[in-house]
Amino acid sequence: AQSVAQPEDQVNVAEGNPLTVKCTYSVSGNPYLFWYVQYPNRGLQFLLKYITGDNLVKGSYGFEAEFNKSQTSFHLKKPSALVSDSALYFCAVRAIYNQGGKLIFGQGTELSVKP
Amino acid sequence: DTEVTQTPKHLVMGMTNKKSLKCEQHMGHRAMYWYKQKAKKPPELMFVYSYEKLSINESVPSRFSPECPNSSLLNLHLHALQPEDSALYLCASSPGGPTSGRGTQYFGPGTRLTVL
Repeated sequence: AQSVAQPEDQVNVAEGNPLTVKCTYSVSGNPYLFWYVQYPNRGLQFLLKYITGDNLVKGSYGFEAEFNKSQTSFHLKKPSALVSDSALYFCAVRAIYNQGGKLIFGQGTELSVKP
Repeated sequence: DTEVTQTPKHLVMGMTNKKSLKCEQHMGHRAMYWYKQKAKKPPELMFVYSYEKLSINESVPSRFSPECPNSSLLNLHLHALQPEDSALYLCASSPGGPTSGRGTQYFGPGTRLTVL
């Protein structure tokens, strides 16, 4: 069965410090991996994805994520956090041959960046 | 442009009402999705349309009825809802059909539904 785990419900970071939001996955075959961000009372906003190629993926707003196949992880990172990065972050996985394009979401990690 | 629009933004309805949610995209995407999201929880897939045909129904109660009039539009018809159906309803679309390798789903802003 496919699954995604985000082990931290909440991550607190000081502005200017690096941030990491963790994600591990379990899927048959090669995965497509996604990160989305959700600001309060808004829809999900696509940040980045890993399909194939370089393990380090760069996305919107200075975010990047590293795909690690041996550890089945896809952690989201940013070198210097901003207060405006405070939001709810979702990791999602879709197996390449999954019928219907269903995304399996993690439970979400609430990021709080304090000035 | 990766914009999915949804109307209305907010909807309050009684349990005997009939209402509809609307979703629109003009990106040429061939797969469209309805999700339900409770506060601070991940979205739960409800329906998937692929090339205007219903391809997935995640055992959603019949009081929710989807419709895809054309490749750009997706509706969700609501009837006899329960208070526990109150949630944020999100629409999404993806290019090339749901099994395409380019299947990034782009989400709309959602409709906040309250059932009294």
